[in-house]
Amino acid sequence: KAGVTQTPRYLIKTRGQQVTLSCSPISGHRSVSWYQQTPGQGLQFLFEYFSETQRNKGNFPGRFSGRQFSNSRSEMNVSTLELGDSALYLCASSARTVDTGELFFGEGSRLTVL
Amino acid sequence: SQQGEEDPQALSIQEGENATMNCSYKTSINNLQWYRQNSGRGLVHLILIRSNEREKHSGRLRVTLDTSKKSSSLLITASRAADTASYFCATDDSNYQLIWGAGTKLIIKP
Repeated sequence: KAGVTQTPRYLIKTRGQQVTLSCSPISGHRSVSWYQQTPGQGLQFLFEYFSETQRNKGNFPGRFSGRQFSNSRSEMNVSTLELGDSALYLCASSARTVDTGELFFGEGSRLTVL
Repeated sequence: SQQGEEDPQALSIQEGENATMNCSYKTSINNLQWYRQNSGRGLVHLILIRSNEREKHSGRLRVTLDTSKKSSSLLITASRAADTASYFCATDDSNYQLIWGAGTKLIIKP
């Protein structure tokens, strides 16, 4: 069974640009969550999608958005990039239906904003 | 906001010794999970313990949960160099959202 795949793995952008990150969950998983990880703030929850609907949202500005497609693949977008957006963005999928179960993480997309 | 707080922030031990990490949280939970992260990589799930469980084992791992003290501990026995990683606890609150701690960085010296 293929794991969670995130693309791209590394990317460099400049301030003001926008970026789109992609996540393909494990086959059959309908829940996809996104996290931002920085050395100073640790692992911060961005949002969770389940069957194409955003089910939970973290405390991030509206520049951060996401969506989930009918095949459960998910994308997140960050517009008007700021230096502070430099981070490892992690996607995780879960077979969860009601409560939170085991999360399966991808290797992450490392974003550097110059 | 961060609910889980790991303790210690960093731990360095000799190979073969046992490593213990602690996690404290603030609100009632449905379950608590532990994850491992090797440097710059994705997280790997280690173990999930539900609020009605007190202890759980998986190979060299032992997790305890004390809901009265709102704390959990992760014990790794007979540590190996490959155990060098950061360890995170995550709590599933009543909103079914995982809240993460800042992690414990574990270094196993050969």
